[in-house]
Amino acid sequence: GESVGLHLPTLSVQEGDNSIINCAYSNSASDYFIWYKQESGKGPQFIIDIRSNMDKRQGQRVTVLLNKTVKHLSLQIAATQPGDSAVYFCAEAEGAQKLVFGQGTRLTINP
Amino acid sequence: DTGVSQNPRHKITKRGQNVTFRCDPISEHNRLYWYRQTLGQGPEFLTYFQNEAQLEKSRLLSDRFSAERPKGSFSTLEIQRTEQGDSAMYLCASSLYQGLTEAFFGQGTRLTVV
Repeated sequence: GESVGLHLPTLSVQEGDNSIINCAYSNSASDYFIWYKQESGKGPQFIIDIRSNMDKRQGQRVTVLLNKTVKHLSLQIAATQPGDSAVYFCAEAEGAQKLVFGQGTRLTINP
Repeated sequence: DTGVSQNPRHKITKRGQNVTFRCDPISEHNRLYWYRQTLGQGPEFLTYFQNEAQLEKSRLLSDRFSAERPKGSFSTLEIQRTEQGDSAMYLCASSLYQGLTEAFFGQGTRLTVV
């Protein structure tokens, strides 16, 4: 069945540096992808989404890149701040169906 | 709009007891999802509704689990004869079904079965 995975379970970066969180997906029919941020004890918080007809989408300090050829998704966070510390999940969906989540990457910002 | 609301936030129950959780989605959202999350894992799909119709249930959802959305607004998730393995965070999300749109999550209900 389809699965969504992440290359690294943890990532530590210096405050002010850029962060890149990667995600691999296996369902080539997936056409919608979302990045969520989850802080301890809270529900996932929507960050940014991208549809399969796009390669790149930018938000405020975040950029999502989609490479359909190798089924890879990445989230770039510019100028990381202490408040960016959290677990980040990518999720994918085929059509307007349910979201399938990966395991997550814990991002730690060092002062 | 206060977002997706889940109650209770925390529930401790004895093994074998029944529990029920409630989710109030964002008012105009016609899709409602239930997920379960254990420590260190991503949310795991349980079931989802479009309006009052339950469109899909995970094969992981045992017969002890049942979900309803009787009027297409709030939803309840009931777990009968709880087991220690049911201990998890139960998350509800809603979305506006107009093609591909983002799902917004509530804060979750943390269940502890002792």
